Amino acid sequence: DTGVSQNPRHKITKRGQNVTFRCDPISEHNRLYWYRQTLGQGPEFLTYFQNEAQLEKSRLLSDRFSAERPKGSFSTLEIQRTEQGDSAMYLCASSPGSGRGDTGELFFGEGSRLTVL
Amino acid sequence: AQSVTQLDSQVPVFEEAPVELRCNYSSSVSVYLFWYVQYPNQGLQLLLKYLSGSTLVKGINGFEAEFNKSQTSFHLRKPSVHISDTAEYFCAVSGNTGFQKLVFGTGTRLLVSP
Repeated sequence: DTGVSQNPRHKITKRGQNVTFRCDPISEHNRLYWYRQTLGQGPEFLTYFQNEAQLEKSRLLSDRFSAERPKGSFSTLEIQRTEQGDSAMYLCASSPGSGRGDTGELFFGEGSRLTVL
Repeated sequence: AQSVTQLDSQVPVFEEAPVELRCNYSSSVSVYLFWYVQYPNQGLQLLLKYLSGSTLVKGINGFEAEFNKSQTSFHLRKPSVHISDTAEYFCAVSGNTGFQKLVFGTGTRLLVSP
């Protein structure tokens, strides 16, 4: 059983550099989500895709953040000109999608931890 | 929009004692409710969920939760905890009409000691 896979698991970068995270969802899932989790907080919604279409973006997602899901399979989250405040765990999740018995339950990957020095 | 309040940031308990982790939600529409657990250096794992029907739901690892609509609560319980239950527990809510993103609480750290 292949779950949600995220790479890299850890990334340390200097302020101002660009970073990219990749997420491979469960293969039959149409919906893909990005959440951000900072220390002592619960996951916060960033954005989600239905197939390749990005349907909702949080106000947390500044112009420096961009997410793509070009073929409706894997997704990338890029952060440009990183700032120390971007340090967090970036979580990817997937779900079956509408018409597929989606109950809102999300299946999470193990996350990509970003440290900006 | 939905929101979740987890009143306790940390709950210490001795092994084999019962535990209750509290969760209250706010929503203008009917909801689905979830409890997730996060072990150190791992992703979130679903413990249990309430979609409809019986208000008492049972999950994995001996946990259960009761949906109380009048009190807008969904407290998590276990009659006897183990050391291995030490983890962060998150309550989450979504609306049950159309697409509604999952909204999480701030989490409760359960610390089980011998």
